[in-house]
Amino acid sequence: DTGVSQDPRHKITKRGQNVTFRCDPISEHNRLYWYRQTLGQGPEFLTYFQNEAQLEKSRLLSDRFSAERPKGSFSTLEIQRTEQGDSAMYLCASSLIQENTEAFFGQGTRLTVV
Amino acid sequence: KQEVTQIPAALSVPEGENLVLNCSFTDSAIYNLQWFRQDPGKGLTSLLLIQSSQREQTSGRLNASLDKSSGRSTLYIAASQPGDSATYLCAVRGSGDMRFGAGTRLTVKP
Repeated sequence: DTGVSQDPRHKITKRGQNVTFRCDPISEHNRLYWYRQTLGQGPEFLTYFQNEAQLEKSRLLSDRFSAERPKGSFSTLEIQRTEQGDSAMYLCASSLIQENTEAFFGQGTRLTVV
Repeated sequence: KQEVTQIPAALSVPEGENLVLNCSFTDSAIYNLQWFRQDPGKGLTSLLLIQSSQREQTSGRLNASLDKSSGRSTLYIAASQPGDSATYLCAVRGSGDMRFGAGTRLTVKP
C-alpha cells in the first residue's frame, strides 16, 4: 500500500465551473477526512466518513460542496459553481476507527479558481 | 467546539539548538494528539502520536509531551538541523474529527 492518494494534484478552473477531487485512503482504514488549507493557516475540517457513512460536516461545507464515499473505499469531494474564495489546498486523511491510531494524509489537491 | 492554538507562529534558530514548540487546546476530552510536519506545498507527514493516557512519546531527536488536564502539549526538537525547517502542526482528535492549530513555521539556519 502506497499510502493515501489524491487526484489530481493540481487543478485550475474558471469561476463558475464544477470540480471533483478523488481520495483513495489506505486500504484497511475505515475513517476518511477532508480538510481545506489556505496559505499560512492550519487545515480546516470539512467532513469525515466512517466506512460509507458521513458522520460530520463542518459549517464551512456550504451547499456547493458535497462529499461521498459510496462503497466505504475511495471518496470524492465536489465543488459546484466554484468561486475565487474556494482556491486552496484540499487535503484528505485516513485512519482506523480505533482512537489510538495515527491519521495519514495524502499530498493534497491544489485548486486555483481564476 | 475544540480550539487549538500553537505558539510561536514562527521561530528561527541557528543549527544545533534545542527548541520547544507549544500546542494548547480548550477541551481536555481528547483521544489523542498528533504532531505533523508540513513542507511548503506538500501534504502532512506524521511525526508522533500521543494517546490520551500517555504523558510522553519519543522518536529520534523528537520528544512530545502531553498534559491533558491543562490542555497542553509540547514538541521538543534536539540538536536542530537545517533539514528540520518546515511547518509543524498539532492535531487534537476527539470522538470523531481532528482539529488543527495554525502551525509553527520553523527555520533552522546553517
